[in-house]
Amino acid sequence: QVQLQESGPGLVKVSETLSLTCTVSGGSVRTETFFWTWIRQPPGKGLEWIGNIYYTGTTKYSPSLKSRVTISVDTAKNQFFLQLSSVTAADTAVYYCARGSQPKVWGQGTLVTVSS
Amino acid sequence: QSVLTQPPSASGTPGQRVSIFCSGSTSNIGSNYVYWYQQLPGTAPKVLIYRNDQRPSGVPERFSGSKSGTSASLAISGLRSEDEADYYCGAWDDSLSGHWVFGGGTKLTVL
Repeated sequence: QVQLQESGPGLVKVSETLSLTCTVSGGSVRTETFFWTWIRQPPGKGLEWIGNIYYTGTTKYSPSLKSRVTISVDTAKNQFFLQLSSVTAADTAVYYCARGSQPKVWGQGTLVTVSS
Repeated sequence: QSVLTQPPSASGTPGQRVSIFCSGSTSNIGSNYVYWYQQLPGTAPKVLIYRNDQRPSGVPERFSGSKSGTSASLAISGLRSEDEADYYCGAWDDSLSGHWVFGGGTKLTVL
């Protein structure tokens, strides 16, 4: 059964770049069947879709975050990545990675706090 | 403000049937599948319903989904205390080159 695990710094400074990794186990990112997705949830608020990637590198991004987001994939390491640039306090959230363009299997999430 | 509209709260007593509604538009619910997620306190969301009305294995039959036009609903029958959670709808939206959208979430309280 596929499992996803987010990892990365829990604290990022204002104006810097947030970088997270999602490691996939029990399945391969190099599959024609699924896209791989990032989603976030600010404390006490709802879910926000960030974007997704296909193993070929094809991406789709949230219109509201598109200018600051980069999602990439490393099929050899069975990982995909999120970079969010020029962060502010509003980017403080639990960040989830998930399998599927229609997210069906989720990681447990990782809290990233943006602080000055 | 979320693209998909859900009531912020809902409630019911044990054993009751409760419905949560999700309203969208022709570019999302009107032309794509709807998914429903349950988020228990302090945990990651879990898919309850996929492709409008399909239940993943392990999800009780008490949970059911339906869609009509640009709206969808999640029904929970035989309400139990452990159903107290946040519920989110989601769908692909074909506008702006395509992106996924969520509802704002509904907090279900079991009285």
